[in-house]
Amino acid sequence: DTGVSQDPRHKITKRGQNVTFRCDPISEHNRLYWYRQTLGQGPEFLTYFQNEAQLEKSRLLSDRFSAERPKGSFSTLEIQRTEQGDSAMYLCASSPAVGYTFGSGTRLTVV
Amino acid sequence: AQKVTQAQTEISVVEKEDVTLDCVYETRDTTYYLFWYKQPPSGELVFLIRRNSFDEQNEISGRYSWNFQKSTSSFNFTITASQVVDSAVYFCALSEAGGRDDKIIFGKGTRLHILP
Repeated sequence: DTGVSQDPRHKITKRGQNVTFRCDPISEHNRLYWYRQTLGQGPEFLTYFQNEAQLEKSRLLSDRFSAERPKGSFSTLEIQRTEQGDSAMYLCASSPAVGYTFGSGTRLTVV
Repeated sequence: AQKVTQAQTEISVVEKEDVTLDCVYETRDTTYYLFWYKQPPSGELVFLIRRNSFDEQNEISGRYSWNFQKSTSSFNFTITASQVVDSAVYFCALSEAGGRDDKIIFGKGTRLHILP
């Protein structure tokens, strides 16, 4: 593993469609995080996994958002019924302890 | 509540000048971590440094140095003899170690332009 991989790098979708992003963490890292970054802002915490358990969800995550990490390996973040306000960079990070390694992100544009 | 303030939105300096990026934080915890990350135009966040709240020693890494002062809740970052490749957005961040999840709270970032 050379780092955290995210797929796709870019996604353009029409409002109302569902989208799913994937994150492959560094293999020996048991913690996985999702962040969202909008233009001109710092990343904002969305959710966190320790192995396969989702331990915390931010209030930023509406019911339209869901994240999974089956078997404590890769993770998916799904957004249902996308809205224009969902347009952002979605960043994944993994960590064995405090201090993360971030992926390159998935840039979502909702038109 | 945790908060990180980077008052400088954008800075431009000429190459080879020194530049300091300011960071002020708020936390109720006595144990916490402070970070700096670099985000070049490619978009990936690059980890630069992590500092434990109990370690107030300044740190130098090549042209980079960090000044942590608990008395003023500041964790400033200085680039000496700046280079064009240093152009990026720099984020200061805070994690309260007492929390279970180690989530990091980021400032809004300082966009640094190094002019040739």
